[in-house]
Amino acid sequence: AQKVTQAQTEISVVEKEDVTLDCVYETRDTTYYLFWYKQPPSGELVFLIRRNSFDEQNEISGRYSWNFQKSTSSFNFTITASQVVDSAVYFCALSAWPGNQFYFGTGTSLTVIP
Amino acid sequence: DAGVIQSPRHEVTEMGQEVTLRCKPISGHDYLFWYRQTMMRGLELLIYFNNNVPIDDSGMPEDRFSAKMPNASFSTLKIQPSEPRDSAVYFCASSFGRGGHNEQFFGPGTRLTVL
Repeated sequence: AQKVTQAQTEISVVEKEDVTLDCVYETRDTTYYLFWYKQPPSGELVFLIRRNSFDEQNEISGRYSWNFQKSTSSFNFTITASQVVDSAVYFCALSAWPGNQFYFGTGTSLTVIP
Repeated sequence: DAGVIQSPRHEVTEMGQEVTLRCKPISGHDYLFWYRQTMMRGLELLIYFNNNVPIDDSGMPEDRFSAKMPNASFSTLKIQPSEPRDSAVYFCASSFGRGGHNEQFFGPGTRLTVL
């Protein structure tokens, strides 16, 4: 069975602070994929990043970075120098080969206070 | 290129009425997904199609819900009769390729309110 846990329901930070959103996953499959999506107040879900289970390299994209650790089954997301525009709900998701179904976590609501 | 298109964006109806939600996936995508999002249950997968064929409908809550995909560019989700507990945001998403390695692209959603 596949499962994604985002234990942080809500986080509030002051602008320019760094913040890390946690994602822990469970799967027995050896080939799987992890995703992060952003849902801003406007409501649409926006794809941010995909990682596969064979690539544990961390990734940085501007102020965003992702830390994938198979040893702890975690795929955490860090926003550096947060901005008000980062306020959104962030979802972590898992899919396992050969299926196409995504298993979403319950989301973390991030509020960045100016 | 156009993304996933959903209509209507908002729907308000009365209990017992039939509701039809529409989705146009991204051209060339062979997978289409219907999700429901509520505060209580989060994002739930209702059903998904591959090449217009339903693959898994285990998430469809009950017989009042039905979904069709008559061709590669159009899908509908129908609720008949609707109930207040069906109030939610319904998302359609599409992706390309088998195996779940490609991201799903989501439409803007349809906010359904059943009075």
